[in-house]
Amino acid sequence: DAGVTQSPTHLIKTRGQHVTLRCSPISGHKSVSWYQQVLGQGPQFIFQYYEKEERGRGNFPDRFSARQFPNYSSELNVNALLLGDSALYLCASSLSGDEQFFGPGTRLTVL
Amino acid sequence: QKEVEQDPGPLSVPEGAIVSLNCTYSNSAFQYFMWYRQYSRKGPELLMYTYSSGNKEDGRFTAQVDKSSKYISLFIRDSQPSDSATYLCAMGPLNSNSGYALNFGKGTSLLVTP
Repeated sequence: DAGVTQSPTHLIKTRGQHVTLRCSPISGHKSVSWYQQVLGQGPQFIFQYYEKEERGRGNFPDRFSARQFPNYSSELNVNALLLGDSALYLCASSLSGDEQFFGPGTRLTVL
Repeated sequence: QKEVEQDPGPLSVPEGAIVSLNCTYSNSAFQYFMWYRQYSRKGPELLMYTYSSGNKEDGRFTAQVDKSSKYISLFIRDSQPSDSATYLCAMGPLNSNSGYALNFGKGTSLLVTP
C-alpha cells in the first residue's frame, strides 16, 4: 500500500514569492492535516481538512491557506514568503482525524 | 510554558539497553497520545497510539500513560543502532469540531552505540 505522498521534495523560493505544496493521502483516508517543522522543533499544526471541509486551523497568519479536493488530496498555499517560512512542511493522513500518518515532507528554503 | 514538554537530549545508550523517553503535558483536555520516530530529514513514523491510561505494548516498544500525573513514557527494549533517531511525543483533545490538532514535544535525540 502506498503511504502518504508529497510533492515536491525540495524547493527554493525567494522572499515575497508564492508556493504551493501538494499531498496525496493514504487510500481510503478522508482527512489531511498540514504541519510546519522548523529545525530542532516538533511539528506545529497548520490546518486539518476532513471530507473537503476545514476542521481546524492553527496559529498561522492568513498568508497560509489550504484546500482539499474531491479525491481527498490537498494543497497548502503560502503567499508573500518570509525567511522564517523556511521549514519542513509535513502532510498527515487519517481515516477520521486522530491517528495521523505522515508523509516524507517538503523542504522549503526561502532566500 | 509550552503545553508539551520533552527533554531534547541527546540521549546515548549502548546497544541492548532499555531506553526510557518521557513527556509531560499541562492541558487536561489531551485525551489521545502518540509516539513518533523521525530519522534525519524524513517524515515522522507512527510507533504507538493510545487513548487510555496504562500500558500498551507492541514488540520492543511499550507506551505508558498516566493521565493523573500528565506524564507519558515510551520504553524501548533491546535497543538497536537502527533505533537511533529523534523520538517525538504528540497528543491532542478528542474534539472533532475543532480538528484533531496534534501538539508535539520538541523531540528527544537518541543514539544507540554498537
